[in-house]
Amino acid sequence: DQQVKQNSPSLSVQEGRISILNCDYTNSMFDYFLWYKKYPAEGPTFLISISSIKDKNEDGRFTVFLNKSAKHLSLHIVPSQPGDSAVYFCAASGNAGNMLTFGGGTRLMVKP
Amino acid sequence: GAVVSQHPSRVICKSGTSVKIECRSLDFQATTMFWYRQFPKKSLMLMATSNEGSKATYEQGVEKDKFLINHASLTLSTLTVTSAHPEDSSFYICSASVKVQGRSPLHFGNGTRLTVT
Repeated sequence: DQQVKQNSPSLSVQEGRISILNCDYTNSMFDYFLWYKKYPAEGPTFLISISSIKDKNEDGRFTVFLNKSAKHLSLHIVPSQPGDSAVYFCAASGNAGNMLTFGGGTRLMVKP
Repeated sequence: GAVVSQHPSRVICKSGTSVKIECRSLDFQATTMFWYRQFPKKSLMLMATSNEGSKATYEQGVEKDKFLINHASLTLSTLTVTSAHPEDSSFYICSASVKVQGRSPLHFGNGTRLTVT
């Protein structure tokens, strides 16, 4: 049973527009959520995180929103750039430490 | 920022041989490292948690005798795929965190592409 789900396997966005990537989780023990960006044949690169005590965290063009009641988080990228094209994974961890559970990933394509 | 180095980046081996993958934290001490595996177009699946100075904790379905993990120091963990078979071909990624407890992001190595012929 997948505890972290990314229901959209791919997303295509025009350069300059907003990219919204979504993630749902089922485990109510998760209290720390992260987004990673991954290129083929490379390890994931950390982008942004949010603790369950917050509902929003912003870092430059990246903003993560957390809706605990809906067990849903999203990553907003604005404005989107062609260099943002990659696979984005959301991940979650609970009070067991830093062990992460990953979603299936969403491939973002930003068109020039 | 925290840097995790993984070596080799790519390895091809014959069926039945063993392959060792190294994971190093370059600028911090990692008491815990994690090993993940990624199948094509799939998510990252946690294989095991590697604790410095003690036995690794394996996830359900991961064979301990096949995937040997050693975490001999605070900056080095190794994964040895023993008696490799073609179905072991995959992308293996290690990660480490600066803190064992508390909330800090995991940093990942660049992964190792293993191909077993």
